[in-house]
Amino acid sequence: GDSVTQMEGPVTLSEEAFLTINCTYTATGYPSLFWYVQYPGEGLQLLLKATKADDKGSNKGFEATYRKETTSFHLEKGSVQVSDSAVYFCALKEYGNKLVFGAGTILRVKS
Amino acid sequence: DAGITQSPRHKVTETGTPVTLRCHQTENHRYMYWYRQDPGHGLRLIHYSYGVKDTDKGEVSDGYSVSRSKTEDFLLTLESATSSQTSVYFCAITSGGRGTGELFFGEGSRLTVL
Repeated sequence: GDSVTQMEGPVTLSEEAFLTINCTYTATGYPSLFWYVQYPGEGLQLLLKATKADDKGSNKGFEATYRKETTSFHLEKGSVQVSDSAVYFCALKEYGNKLVFGAGTILRVKS
Repeated sequence: DAGITQSPRHKVTETGTPVTLRCHQTENHRYMYWYRQDPGHGLRLIHYSYGVKDTDKGEVSDGYSVSRSKTEDFLLTLESATSSQTSVYFCAITSGGRGTGELFFGEGSRLTVL
């Protein structure tokens, strides 16, 4: 079946550092791809999405590009803030409007 | 914010007792989902519904059942809770159709089975 693999965390960065969280997927066809973020004590919320190859999703300074050739959707941000500390989930949409999630990556940003 | 309410938000129960979690939406969305979140596993789909009385199993459905008698309510039942079902449970909804598949999540229900 479809699957998503994320880099293991936690990732600990200093404020204003560059962030990359790797995400690769296995799927039949070309699924839509998502990044969700979960702040402490809350549910998940959509951060960004891309629906076809070479699309770039962006929001709040975060970006990710749908790379069909490498089956990847890596999350990047040029300068992280303490408020970005959260758990980040990569996900793909498979048949039946179901999302398959990666294991999540904890991000900790120090001031 | 999407109108999704989960109840109860926290529950402690004993092994062997039945438990029902409720998800209520005010968005009239067709699709509803129950996921569980566990460290190292991310979110895993338990059951989902694509309409009133239309439900199907996800990847971790053993020990769980669901019901959807109204568009707005999706119930998750543990007939006889076990310690392995200690988890945080999330309900999610989406309108489906030709949309991009964005799911809106509730705030979660933390269940502890002693």
